[in-house]
Amino acid sequence: EAGVTQFPSHSVIEKGQTVTLRCDPISGHDNLYWYRRVMGKEIKFLLHFVKESKQDESGMPNNRFLAERTGGTYSTLKVQPAELEDSGVYFCASSQEGAKRNTEAFFGQGTRLTVV
Amino acid sequence: AQSVTQLGSHVSVSEGALVLLRCNYSSSVPPYLFWYVQYPNQGLQLLLKYTTGATLVKGINGFEAEFKKSETSFHLTKPSAHMSDAAEYFCAVSISGGSYIPTFGRGTSLIVHP
Repeated sequence: EAGVTQFPSHSVIEKGQTVTLRCDPISGHDNLYWYRRVMGKEIKFLLHFVKESKQDESGMPNNRFLAERTGGTYSTLKVQPAELEDSGVYFCASSQEGAKRNTEAFFGQGTRLTVV
Repeated sequence: AQSVTQLGSHVSVSEGALVLLRCNYSSSVPPYLFWYVQYPNQGLQLLLKYTTGATLVKGINGFEAEFKKSETSFHLTKPSAHMSDAAEYFCAVSISGGSYIPTFGRGTSLIVHP
């Protein structure tokens, strides 16, 4: 079974440019989460999809960040325009709906974003 | 709201020595507690979790953690460190009965010396 896959693994962009991160969850997982870790700090929640619907987007930093999950499969996270403080590692995770949904999510390897 | 404190951003041990990574949590309701590990160039992997029942939880690679409600702690231990244990470890807490959105600590880098 394939795990959670994130593209790209690394991205270096200039301030003001646009970057789109992609996450492919485990097949059949309705829940999809985005997290971000700024260097040396905790991993912070950004938002949560249930299928194609945004269940909770309370962690999104500002309106420069746009997440979508059309069709309820893969998700994209777009940053436009990127700022220096957006640098960090962006993690995606997915979990099943149902009895076990409260106890485990599977994480991707993350996308390391550097804004210069 | 819940929170997690991991004491020590770096922990250094010799190969074969005891590993102890500290985690204290704050939660207004019974928590679910997790330890994740991130090896270099890999994603976060679940080491172990406490939901209900036995407070001593065993995980993969010989790690275990004990939920101590009176101390609001969930420290991670391993009797004998191996070089392959070098990684970053994250403690996390979520609310039982709610949706899975854990709150993570800042992480502890485990360094293992030969």
